[in-house]
Amino acid sequence: GENVEQHPSTLSVQEGDSAVIKCTYSDSASNYFPWYKQELGKRPQLIIDIRSNVGEKKDQRIAVTLNKTAKHFSLHITETQPEDSAVYFCAASSIQGAQKLVFGQGTRLTINP
Amino acid sequence: GAVVSQHPSWVICKSGTSVKIECRSLDFQATTMFWYRQFPKQSLMLMATSNEGSKATYEQGVEKDKFLINHASLTLSTLTVTSAHPEDSSFYICSARHQPGHWDHEQYFGPGTRLTVT
Repeated sequence: GENVEQHPSTLSVQEGDSAVIKCTYSDSASNYFPWYKQELGKRPQLIIDIRSNVGEKKDQRIAVTLNKTAKHFSLHITETQPEDSAVYFCAASSIQGAQKLVFGQGTRLTINP
Repeated sequence: GAVVSQHPSWVICKSGTSVKIECRSLDFQATTMFWYRQFPKQSLMLMATSNEGSKATYEQGVEKDKFLINHASLTLSTLTVTSAHPEDSSFYICSARHQPGHWDHEQYFGPGTRLTVT
């Protein structure tokens, strides 16, 4: 089955700097890669996703890149703000079939004012 | 938008009792719902895939007789934790997605249920 590895587990950056979180996946059949932000005790919130037919997607300060050959994808947050502090999870699934999401281990991002 | 609710938001029960958690898609029909468990400071782990009108598909290591799933309608799935023990204490989250073939592949998450077994 699919296995998703996420790094780093914790990340601390100065406000205004950029943050990058990386994930690798194992199943070449996976073709949908969402990123979630989760605050303590809350549900995961989708912040951006990418499908395997594109290599990069951007939404304001957030971007995701995908390298299908290497089976890795990354989340980039620019001009970080204190409210970006949260736990971020990557995930992978196939658009076909059951569409089960397999999550990475999570990254606790702290933005220092 | 697509909204998923869960009830209750939190529950405390005594060891040996059973607890039922409801997951509802409020504004769309969901042939498939998913149940996750999340321990403190850990990731979401898929427990089972709930299919409307058929048996749930459980992930390896998840006891189907302990975690009973019923998906009786296109908008409701329930998870019953039977004979709960303290080690079952966790944050249980459901998600739902549109029917196959729908353009929207996103999974919409419920707000979660915090279960504490004493």
